[in-house]
Amino acid sequence: KNEVEQSPQNLTAQEGEFITINCSYSVGISALHWLQQHPGGGIVSLFMLSSGKKKHGRLIATINIQEKHSSLHITASHPRDSAVYICAVRVEGTSYGKLTFGQGTILTVHP
Amino acid sequence: GAVVSQHPSWVICKSGTSVKIECRSLDFQATTMFWYRQFPKQSLMLMATSNEGSKATYEQGVEKDKFLINHASLTLSTLTVTSAHPEDSSFYICSARGDREKLFFGSGTQLSVL
Repeated sequence: KNEVEQSPQNLTAQEGEFITINCSYSVGISALHWLQQHPGGGIVSLFMLSSGKKKHGRLIATINIQEKHSSLHITASHPRDSAVYICAVRVEGTSYGKLTFGQGTILTVHP
Repeated sequence: GAVVSQHPSWVICKSGTSVKIECRSLDFQATTMFWYRQFPKQSLMLMATSNEGSKATYEQGVEKDKFLINHASLTLSTLTVTSAHPEDSSFYICSARGDREKLFFGSGTQLSVL
């Protein structure tokens, strides 16, 4: 079993729909990242969380440390949101960039 | 905002040759950069941590003599895949730590070894 599990693996939505991607992890962490990877491979860091909730535009990320679970929400989804969304955790006691990555969620938003 | 430039974006090389990938922080200094590898349909995995002015720290199972990392300045880290073989074909991506603990990623390099 992977230390970081994402669900769903694939997600298809219609433009305007509210989207949720989930991430569960089985280790103690010091931080959790949500990343966006576009076709061609470039990665953008969306959020870094250690507790609570963060919001940026139409994106909202939450984390529940006790339950070892995080969610990424996209409100009013748009075709340009189509990408792979990756959850990555920094395990407690490890160096800053030593992230353990989930397998990613492929999101496709249709117009 | 902070930008990390990585090139080349893709490279095709013959088996046995060496390939150098560059990762530059364009508007900030990065004392530490990170190199990751991603095989098709698999998760990213950290290969090594590149430290300016000192030796890189490699993850278990990553051959330091095969994947040479040099971080000679505060804005440039290079990864050289030496004597590349088809099994080294992969997507390589770097990242650097910026302000407020944000992590900035390069655009990645797709390496294909024939």
